[in-house]
Amino acid sequence: SQQGEEDPQALSIQEGENATMNCSYKTSINNLQWYRQNSGRGLVHLILIRSNEREKHSGRLRVTLDTSKKSSSLLITASRAADTASYFCATDSSNTGKLIFGQGTTLQVKP
Amino acid sequence: EAQVTQNPRYLITVTGKKLTVTCSQNMNHEYMSWYRQDPGLGLRQIYYSMNVEVTDKGDVPEGYKVSRKEKRNFPLILESPSPNQTSLYFCASSLFVPGQHNEQFFGPGTRLTVL
Repeated sequence: SQQGEEDPQALSIQEGENATMNCSYKTSINNLQWYRQNSGRGLVHLILIRSNEREKHSGRLRVTLDTSKKSSSLLITASRAADTASYFCATDSSNTGKLIFGQGTTLQVKP
Repeated sequence: EAQVTQNPRYLITVTGKKLTVTCSQNMNHEYMSWYRQDPGLGLRQIYYSMNVEVTDKGDVPEGYKVSRKEKRNFPLILESPSPNQTSLYFCASSLFVPGQHNEQFFGPGTRLTVL
């Protein structure tokens, strides 16, 4: 079952621009997480936002969460070519530790 | 270094030949999980384990088995692989806190091709 849907599926920007990715989900959550995946490699955890939080920052990353709309966004500011990767949201809705991942947004940052 | 390791990283095999993909973590995590990643389908959970000797099915368990005899290891077993199990497989682990923090640490992936 797919909980998260991400938008856009693909995004291409110039270095220095900001990148915004959105995630929508269907059921209530304990927390929502964002992961990054470089081509063919393992996912790396970026940031976690709890259901009672509305915004969180980590370096150039800013995550927002709107539980009334069941949506989240990831903003990467001042993008770099090294930010080129796929980005996935994942929701934690159970007490079993299970994460449900979205389909991902493929970000290309052109130098 | 805290990490999740998987072996092998790449494997080409034939239909019906039993194989095992190993997964090991050195972070003393209770929770471990296997995913497969396929184009257009995203990551789907195969099996998970909340602790030693406790395993449960994920969303796509058919054709797979797992075991959790030790906390650090969580092997994925394909008793009779078929071509539709050709995929990129990831093992992950986390320090499980119910309803709270559940950041998962992923292995580097195993690319499996079944001919």
